[in-house]
Amino acid sequence: DIQMTQSPSSVSASVGDRVTITCRASQRIGSWLAWYQQKPGKAPKLLIYAASTLQSGVPSRFSGSGSGTDFTLTISSLQPEDFATYYCQQANTFPRTFGQGTKVEI
Amino acid sequence: QVTLRESGPALVKPTQTLTLTCTFSGFSLSTSGMCVSWIRQPPGKALEWLARIDWDDYKRYSTSLKTRLTISKDTAKNQVVLTMTNMDPVDTATYFCARMGGYSGFAEDYWGQGTLVTVSS
Repeated sequence: DIQMTQSPSSVSASVGDRVTITCRASQRIGSWLAWYQQKPGKAPKLLIYAASTLQSGVPSRFSGSGSGTDFTLTISSLQPEDFATYYCQQANTFPRTFGQGTKVEI
Repeated sequence: QVTLRESGPALVKPTQTLTLTCTFSGFSLSTSGMCVSWIRQPPGKALEWLARIDWDDYKRYSTSLKTRLTISKDTAKNQVVLTMTNMDPVDTATYFCARMGGYSGFAEDYWGQGTLVTVSS
């Protein structure tokens, strides 16, 4: 199975900050990477797919980049509603695998 | 619009078999490219992908759980069923079903709200 490793595990930030989360795959996955946002007690929400394509309705302050094994999710200016846990998922190979999550907190 | 809803028992005993149903609307699993996955999340822990069934009835499973999982679909009822045998307390989790619609880079674009399953005697 492909292992997905996110860093950091948690990040403390303030409204307006730029936040960057990284995700590393144990094997090359092309651009087949998705990012999800999850708030407590809620289902994950797809933010970005194919490494850099913004899902419809997602604010443009979210962006993704990378290919191969190294990927990045960036929030350009953190908003109060962005405090949540973020997961990466590889969509290249079965079984699908997720990172361990990055909690963005105040 | 696309919606998914999970249903099943909230409590199961160790060694029992869990049966969960995902009832969806807004798309058809007979449409080429449509797929439904199951993902779970133990309390306070990360997401874990379990299984997926495709429009053509192709099925994929988690490597570590494949001997315990069976996924099936009833296209006419717009349902996908997941069974997990020999339940253990470590299987306590919120179980989500989600759609992969083929328009989102093979990612799951719509999710149900999840159902919490507790395994305890």
